[in-house]
Amino acid sequence: GENVEQHPSTLSVQEGDSAVIKCTYSDSASNYFPWYKQELGKGPQLIIDIRSNVGEKKDQRIAVTLNKTAKHFSLHITETQPEDSAVYFCAASPMDSNYQLIWGAGTKLIIKP
Amino acid sequence: ETGVTQTPRHLVMGMTNKKSLKCEQHLGHNAMYWYKQSAKKPLELMFVYNFKEQTENNSVPSRFSPECPNSSHLFLHLHTLQPEDSALYLCASSQDTGSSGNTIYFGEGSWLTVV
Repeated sequence: GENVEQHPSTLSVQEGDSAVIKCTYSDSASNYFPWYKQELGKGPQLIIDIRSNVGEKKDQRIAVTLNKTAKHFSLHITETQPEDSAVYFCAASPMDSNYQLIWGAGTKLIIKP
Repeated sequence: ETGVTQTPRHLVMGMTNKKSLKCEQHLGHNAMYWYKQSAKKPLELMFVYNFKEQTENNSVPSRFSPECPNSSHLFLHLHTLQPEDSALYLCASSQDTGSSGNTIYFGEGSWLTVV
């Protein structure tokens, strides 16, 4: 079946450095790719998303890139800050579903002071 | 505050108990969801309701029983659960299920421990 693989499972970076999290998806017809951030004790919250007709999207310190040919997309966080510490989830929306997302297993991002 | 409120936040129950999780959304959405979150695993979609009608049941055991009395409220009734059902249960909502790329808004979750 369709799946999304997310790497790494844990990422530790020095404050101020950049962090990159990568996901690959199996369904070539997927057309929507959101990223969610889950802070401790809270539910996941959408931070950025991208659709299949766009290759890159930026919002301040975060950006997402999409390579449809290779079927992978990445989250980039620049100038990391302590509040960026959280678990990040990628997801892909299969073409035959308007709402059901296929989720990655999550990346725990640790920002070292 | 995401606009989706879940109660209780923590629940410990025995395998023979009956309990319920409650979710309420204040966003005017028409679709509501139950997800199960276990450590180091992808989120598992359990149930989907759109305009109060159940549209998805992802092979969830019958010991989990959802109820959606209106578009703002969603319940998950729990009965004779197993220890492996211990997890974080997340409620979520979105505008509806008819448009690709609807943003899903999650509650803070209910931590369930089955003893």
